[in-house]
Amino acid sequence: GESVGLHLPTLSVQEGDNSIINCAYSNSASDYFIWYKQESGKGPQFIIDIRSNMDKRQGQRVTVLLNKTVKHLSLQIAATQPGDSAVYFCAETPVRILTGGGNKLTFGTGTQLKVEL
Amino acid sequence: DTAVSQTPKYLVTQMGNDKSIKCEQNLGHDTMYWYKQDSKKFLKIMFSYNNKELIINETVPNRFSPKSPDKAHLNLHINSLELGDSAVYFCASSQVTQTQETQYFGPGTRLLVL
Repeated sequence: GESVGLHLPTLSVQEGDNSIINCAYSNSASDYFIWYKQESGKGPQFIIDIRSNMDKRQGQRVTVLLNKTVKHLSLQIAATQPGDSAVYFCAETPVRILTGGGNKLTFGTGTQLKVEL
Repeated sequence: DTAVSQTPKYLVTQMGNDKSIKCEQNLGHDTMYWYKQDSKKFLKIMFSYNNKELIINETVPNRFSPKSPDKAHLNLHINSLELGDSAVYFCASSQVTQTQETQYFGPGTRLLVL
């Protein structure tokens, strides 16, 4: 079936380095992609999103890149800090529903980011 | 001023019992969700409600019954709890606009069935 998956389960980086977390998806109808950060004992927290009509979007210290040709999504974190240590999830939904509620997000398996001092 | 809140945070119970988890959002959103996160951190949607109406039901066993008394609340009642129900349950809410449809998650309820 359709799935969203991550290449690496764990990523260790040195503080101050840039981090890149990758995600592959298989649903060619995917229209909207989100990255979430989940710290230990907490719920997922929105980081950044991107629509299928874009290939790059930047936020504060984060950049999301979308390559629809190979169905690949990445999250880049600049100058990684200890507070960035968490599990990162990509999620996708195939169709943007403007009304009626209920965007069915499909989550990837998650990547644990560990920041070493 | 928590946006999405859940109670209880921890729930330990015996097999066969019936339990409820409550969720409230003060964001004024129309849509609320329940997700289940297993021991491998995999997150899967269970239900979504829009203005108290069930929109998504992801083939969840009928032992799970969501109830939405108003659009700010979505509770989850579980009958005849089984060992496999042990997981973290997250409530979320969203408001779809022209430019954004972010889902905001609660802190989770950690359910352990013994």
